[in-house]
Amino acid sequence: GNSVTQMEGPVTLSEEAFLTINCTYTATGYPSLFWYVQYPGEGLQLLLKATKADDKGSNKGFEATYRKETTSFHLEKGSVQVSDSAVYFCALSGRDQAGTALIFGKGTTLSVSS
Amino acid sequence: DVKVTQSSRYLVKRTGEKVFLECVQDMDHENMFWYRQDPGLGLRLIYFSYDVKMKEKGDIPEGYSVSREKKERFSLILESASTNQTSMYLCASRKTGGANTEAFFGQGTRLTVV
Repeated sequence: GNSVTQMEGPVTLSEEAFLTINCTYTATGYPSLFWYVQYPGEGLQLLLKATKADDKGSNKGFEATYRKETTSFHLEKGSVQVSDSAVYFCALSGRDQAGTALIFGKGTTLSVSS
Repeated sequence: DVKVTQSSRYLVKRTGEKVFLECVQDMDHENMFWYRQDPGLGLRLIYFSYDVKMKEKGDIPEGYSVSREKKERFSLILESASTNQTSMYLCASRKTGGANTEAFFGQGTRLTVV
C-alpha cells in the first residue's frame, strides 16, 4: 500500500541555518505530494505541493522537488527563522478512488533558536 | 476565508461515556475525514466520508463510529470512551477533483479520557 516515511526529529537549528527534512514515499501510480505544517496549538495547513515528477513546490521560502526516480520529496529552506518552529508533515494522495484520504508521515518537529 | 470548525478545543470525559466530536465545513466539500494525532505516530485515519450518509473505515476505526447526515457536518462518536482514546482529533475536508486537491483542517480537539 501507499506510505510515507520522513526523517525522525526533533531537528534543532539556529536562526539562518539551512534546513532539510527528508521524505520518501511508496505508492502505486503517480501520487500528488504535499508538505503540511502545524504551528503550536493549531491544525495543519498546506505549505506546498507538487503533482507530477520534477515539479517544484514552493512557499514562504520553503521548497520541495518531486523526484520520481528516488521516490522523494525533501523539504528545504535556505535560512530558517524562529517563526518556522513547528511540526512538518509530508503526505501523499493516490489517484485510485474518490474521496481518497491523504496519507501522512509521522511528522518532524523543528525547533529554531535565535 | 475557508473554514473547518471543530466544536471544542479541549474536552475531558470519563471512561465509559459516549462522546461526540463535531466538525463543520463551509466549503461545500464532498469529502470529510477524521484523524487522530499522537506523538511519534503522526496522523492516523479513523473514518472518512465521501458523500452524505456514506462512510468508510480508515486505518484505526475500532471503538469509533461516525455520522454524516448533512454535507457540511461530520461527527465522530466514541461509543464508550477509554483512556487509550486520549488524543488530539483532527477533522479535515477536501473537494473531489483529483489527487492534487488540498485538504483543509480544523484546529483540533484535544480529548482527555479519565
